[in-house]
Amino acid sequence: QKEVEQNSGPLSVPEGAIASLNCTYSDRGSQSFFWYRQYSGKSPELIMFIYSNGDKEDGRFTAQLNKASQYVSLLIRDSQPSDSATYLCAVSGGGADGLTFGKGTHLIIQP
Amino acid sequence: DAGVIQSPRHEVTEMGQEVTLRCKPISGHNSLFWYRQTMMRGLELLIYFNNNVPIDDSGMPEDRFSAKMPNASFSTLKIQPSEPRDSAVYFCASSLTGISTEAFFGQGTRLTVV
Repeated sequence: QKEVEQNSGPLSVPEGAIASLNCTYSDRGSQSFFWYRQYSGKSPELIMFIYSNGDKEDGRFTAQLNKASQYVSLLIRDSQPSDSATYLCAVSGGGADGLTFGKGTHLIIQP
Repeated sequence: DAGVIQSPRHEVTEMGQEVTLRCKPISGHNSLFWYRQTMMRGLELLIYFNNNVPIDDSGMPEDRFSAKMPNASFSTLKIQPSEPRDSAVYFCASSLTGISTEAFFGQGTRLTVV
């Protein structure tokens, strides 16, 4: 049984600070790792994906992957109130596999 | 492209009735996924198709649930008979296989069974 664990929060971060979101996964065979953002009442939207150990940066977002520790994180720099949402971590075995999601971390950016 | 299109957006039905949810994936995407989201269980994968063929339906909760994909541009998820515990938001997502498994989600169908 594949499991993805996230702290449900809420995680409260002041505007302009760095928000750090964490995720662990159980299946060592996982190949692909994703971060989705979901606003209340809306569908999940992809923010970033990462396949290799290390860091991947895209604008204000940085995804970090450590396969040895089975750990994925998302850093949001210069946090904005519009970043307030639930962030879902998802993992996949790759190829045509479906995604296994964590329950998400509720992030609140305080103006 | 209009993205993944789901219908209806909202459905309220009485216990015991049949419910059919519909999905049109992004044109050219060959993988399609059905998810269910609840507060208690989060986002759960129910079933996914690759090239219209069901690959893994181990997430389908009971025999009351069935899914079909008769062609590359249409899929249905049917619940018969429906029960109050089926109340949830059901999402359909599609992706390209082999390049990545970045799934793009539809707007979801909010199902309420009373």
